[in-house]
Amino acid sequence: QSALTQPPSVSGAPGQKVTISCTGSSSNIGAPQDVHWYQQLPGAAPKLLIYKNTDRPSGVPDRFSGSRSGTSASLAITGLQPEDEADYYCQSYDSGLRASIFGGGTKLTVL
Amino acid sequence: QVRLQESGPGLLKPSETLSLTCTVSGGYINSNYFYWGWFRQSPERGLEWIASFHYSGSTYYNPSLESRVTISANTTSVTHFYLQLSTVTAADSAMYYCARRSSGAADSWGQGIMVTVSS
Repeated sequence: QSALTQPPSVSGAPGQKVTISCTGSSSNIGAPQDVHWYQQLPGAAPKLLIYKNTDRPSGVPDRFSGSRSGTSASLAITGLQPEDEADYYCQSYDSGLRASIFGGGTKLTVL
Repeated sequence: QVRLQESGPGLLKPSETLSLTCTVSGGYINSNYFYWGWFRQSPERGLEWIASFHYSGSTYYNPSLESRVTISANTTSVTHFYLQLSTVTAADSAMYYCARRSSGAADSWGQGIMVTVSS
């Protein structure tokens, strides 16, 4: 069981907005430690989507945004597109475990 | 644009040592700005960080694997780094990825190499 908790699945229709939560604790997100988000398309390696809670790497559409508050973080995706269908993972650092840790992943289905 | 590529054996027997190589192109591991690391992913364990290093000599290991893992670089090559995982078991079967790390995130990943441990 991961120290970062994500919902197993979320879904939305094209054009809609979805939010994926990542719940941690005072030893990771709440410490505070930065949260990063990854998108993993089927059969591919993870791709960095959001780093340091809110920043987007070059080339990532501004439809993707991140936030952090207290012991939780969220990834929001607006204007859903079929190609957004993928697994999404949050990542942070846990000072108790002394390790970079990942959430269990959330499968996004675009209806 | 940096690219990473993992290589190594895809099949090992229990108790053997896994040795993987990450080849970096479009960049060099002796950059002061980046760390380099290994991750793995399996249905049972999800995404898991294994180890990271900076070319200056700093190394960091996941405590759950530290006793069996070594991450290293070849001082004669600035485009390769390595992972060794000793005494493998079936639980070490996974997709293994090498990645470049910046500000705690992994901003570039290799395509991954599937490793299976089976007798």
